[in-house]
Amino acid sequence: AQSVTQLDSQVPVFEEAPVELRCNYSSSVSVYLFWYVQYPNQGLQLLLKYLSGSTLVKGINGFEAEFNKSQTSFHLRKPSVHISDTAEYFCAVRTQTGANNLFFGTGTRLTVIP
Amino acid sequence: NAGVTQTPKFRILKIGQSMTLQCAQDMNHNYMYWYRQDPGMGLKLIYYSVGAGITDKGEVPNGYNVSRSTTEDFPLRLELAAPSQTSVYFCASSRPRTGTGQETQYFGPGTRLLVL
Repeated sequence: AQSVTQLDSQVPVFEEAPVELRCNYSSSVSVYLFWYVQYPNQGLQLLLKYLSGSTLVKGINGFEAEFNKSQTSFHLRKPSVHISDTAEYFCAVRTQTGANNLFFGTGTRLTVIP
Repeated sequence: NAGVTQTPKFRILKIGQSMTLQCAQDMNHNYMYWYRQDPGMGLKLIYYSVGAGITDKGEVPNGYNVSRSTTEDFPLRLELAAPSQTSVYFCASSRPRTGTGQETQYFGPGTRLLVL
């Protein structure tokens, strides 16, 4: 079975400061990795995904994430955050074979302070 | 394309009532999913479907039923609503795994359900 751990439930950060949201996963098979963002009262929107190839993945809104297989991590980073980045961020995994289901972490609430 | 649409946006039910949450997608996706999101938790998969006429249970299927008579629609049925079903429900869709770029799930805006 797969599982995802997002250790930080809340991350406050000042505007224009860098941020890192942590994600660790557990799986006995190869996985695909995703970061989704959820703005207040909205559905989930894909930020970025890792399928294969380069371990550094760039997504929308200036976000990037790095896949580290040895540490089973997929941390999300942004060098300079904006007020509009305030949202809930979810890390998710899916096996490369078998079922198409996504397994989600519990989410990290990013609050950007002006 | 409208993407994934869900109705209603909000609903309040009394214990024991039944209702159907509607989900539709116009992207010709074969795969569709229902998730629930509880406060402080990630999304949990309720049911999913890999095509018309095919459905399967996810992590938390108890108390729910689904059907998939067409590619576009994937309704979720609550037969006897319970307070434990108070949650936000998200529908999603994706295409089958046939090469890269097919793995992304697209989500609807959600249905907020309160059972009293």
